[in-house]
Amino acid sequence: DIQMTQSPSSLSASVGDRVTITCRASQGISNYLVWYQQKPGKVPKLLIYAASTLHSGVPSRFSGSGSGTDFTLTISSLQPEDVAIYYCQKCNSAPFTFGPGTKVDIK
Amino acid sequence: QVQLVQSGAEVKKPGASVKVSCKASGYTFTSYDIYWVRQATGQGLEWMGWMNPNSGNTGYTQKFQGRVTMTRNTSISTAYMELSSLRSEDTAVYYCARSLSNTMDVWGQGTTVTVSS
Repeated sequence: DIQMTQSPSSLSASVGDRVTITCRASQGISNYLVWYQQKPGKVPKLLIYAASTLHSGVPSRFSGSGSGTDFTLTISSLQPEDVAIYYCQKCNSAPFTFGPGTKVDIK
Repeated sequence: QVQLVQSGAEVKKPGASVKVSCKASGYTFTSYDIYWVRQATGQGLEWMGWMNPNSGNTGYTQKFQGRVTMTRNTSISTAYMELSSLRSEDTAVYYCARSLSNTMDVWGQGTTVTVSS
């Protein structure tokens, strides 16, 4: 099975900072990559699908890129409401494995 | 509005089974796969498997093969996930989610399953 990794596992940044999270697949998955956001105590929410397409209602400060094995999620200007754990997930074929998550908080 | 409403929290003894329900509303139940994901306290998300509500076809990760069964009742737009031979490591929040092109766009509120003697 394809394994998913994320880096860093956690980060702390200031409001307004640009934040980048990396997700790597152990084998190529084309653009079959999804990002979810899970705020503390809440249900995960879809952020980005097909590696770079923003889900409806997601603020434009979020963006995704990548293809093959390497992907990034970028928050262009970190806001207090972005404190959350961000998960990537492969979606090319089952099993649809998640990455271990990246915890983002405010410095 | 589109939503998935799950059944309430469960407490089970080791070796027992649990059946979690997921009732869909606001969309055509048979048009989207249902996925199940679980999350132990303080841990990440773990994808368990999928079910096609139209055909009843299912697919489970190897970890849960033989212990999990995903079914549905289309007359009441409800999906079910049953996990048997429970052990303490199965203590987690279990989520159902609607899948469009293998992307989970709508999630249930989660069901806490506690396995304790």
